[in-house]
Amino acid sequence: DAKTTQPTSMDCAEGRAANLPCNHSTISGNEYVYWYRQIHSQGPQYIIHGLKNNETNEMASLIITEDRKSSTLILPHATLRDTAVYYCIVRGRGSGGYQKVTFGTGTKLQVIP
Amino acid sequence: GAGVSQTPSNKVTEKGKYVELRCDPISGHTALYWYRQSLGQGPEFLIYFQGTGAADDSGLPNDRFFAVRPEGSVSTLKIQRTERGDSAVYLCASSQPLGGGELFFGEGSRLTVL
Repeated sequence: DAKTTQPTSMDCAEGRAANLPCNHSTISGNEYVYWYRQIHSQGPQYIIHGLKNNETNEMASLIITEDRKSSTLILPHATLRDTAVYYCIVRGRGSGGYQKVTFGTGTKLQVIP
Repeated sequence: GAGVSQTPSNKVTEKGKYVELRCDPISGHTALYWYRQSLGQGPEFLIYFQGTGAADDSGLPNDRFFAVRPEGSVSTLKIQRTERGDSAVYLCASSQPLGGGELFFGEGSRLTVL
């Protein structure tokens, strides 16, 4: 799996958009970008994933650059409950199925009242 | 239940003892993963099952760790001769064979080796 680079920590004011960057410059053509988050003392939670097009769901938006070497997770209106560690992961998919999910150290997002 | 269930939620044991941790995945999910997480670190991959067989066990740290999934549903992670360094939260996740492949995690089993 390609490695990812994320800032160690970020702050965001409550109600504002939180933009979490991720670099994955060695991503290959069959690798997807996944985002998970982990709220304190809970298991990680899936947020969103994409290959090359921008994606949006009820939780967040994922913006992937055209060269796919970086992406940004956007939480449009951050709340205190969004305080968590956010993990950016690249994960390959071949004819045999998905590769394992390898977590890094993630970005600790602190939403401030 | 609807989610991934892990038992026990907490386990305290003494160095050298044997421990079993159980994971009950979401019904119909053929893939099952075990991770362990130490304080301040991201989850560390241990092993991945596709059905009954281990598709990738490259993360198991040594031969004291073993996992089984005999009927392709419930899985048990077994740790022999526990050491203080085995203390961590052990996370289990499952995923369905089709769709986005997203993992659904349980709440974890916190293991403390004294």
